[in-house]
Amino acid sequence: TQLLEQSPQFLSIQEGENLTVYCNSSSVFSSLQWYRQEPGEGPVLLVTVVTGGEVKKLKRLTFQFGDARKDSSLHITAAQPGDTGLYLCAGALAPGGYQKVTFGTGTKLQVIP
Amino acid sequence: EAGVTQFPSHSVIEKGQTVTLRCDPISGHDNLYWYRRVMGKEIKFLLHFVKESKQDESGMPNNRFLAERTGGTYSTLKVQPAELEDSGVYFCASSPQGYLLSSGELFFGEGSRLTVL
Repeated sequence: TQLLEQSPQFLSIQEGENLTVYCNSSSVFSSLQWYRQEPGEGPVLLVTVVTGGEVKKLKRLTFQFGDARKDSSLHITAAQPGDTGLYLCAGALAPGGYQKVTFGTGTKLQVIP
Repeated sequence: EAGVTQFPSHSVIEKGQTVTLRCDPISGHDNLYWYRRVMGKEIKFLLHFVKESKQDESGMPNNRFLAERTGGTYSTLKVQPAELEDSGVYFCASSPQGYLLSSGELFFGEGSRLTVL
């Protein structure tokens, strides 16, 4: 079983601060996704990274895939209360010709106004 | 376009009873997945359908869980008999054929919360 560990598990910060969430594994993934989930809803995809070392930006969010495709980070600049939610990384493998997605342990972010 | 819909949103049952959860994927999505989050744990894979066929059911906890996907459209997940440890949120997700390979994206429903007393 491939385990994706996220850190920190919980994060409470003031509006305007920066933060970084980490996602680490001993497994190599063909791609890695970051999802955000709000209470009472299902996870919603934020970004997919595929190439080792790849960096993608989505407004104030910066995502990086590790060179070895085993880890990833999510950096939020000037956090806003609307960023509050559960952030999940998910690694995709391709066994037997299809992709199997494994989810990380999650990081619960609270941004205080 | 309607998203993935799940029913019921919340079910409370007694230990030993039966519950059936339903998932309607996005129209045209051949891939359908069931995931589960037990309190305090990560979202875990249960199984994957491609159309009506089970591609991978390695995550199913035991034989009290039965998933079906009649005609390759909607899917049901039956728990019989339910035990206390089955409590959690059951998510359904879908993706088009081949799409997951390119983008890795799963389209999730809002989940069905199951409480076993």
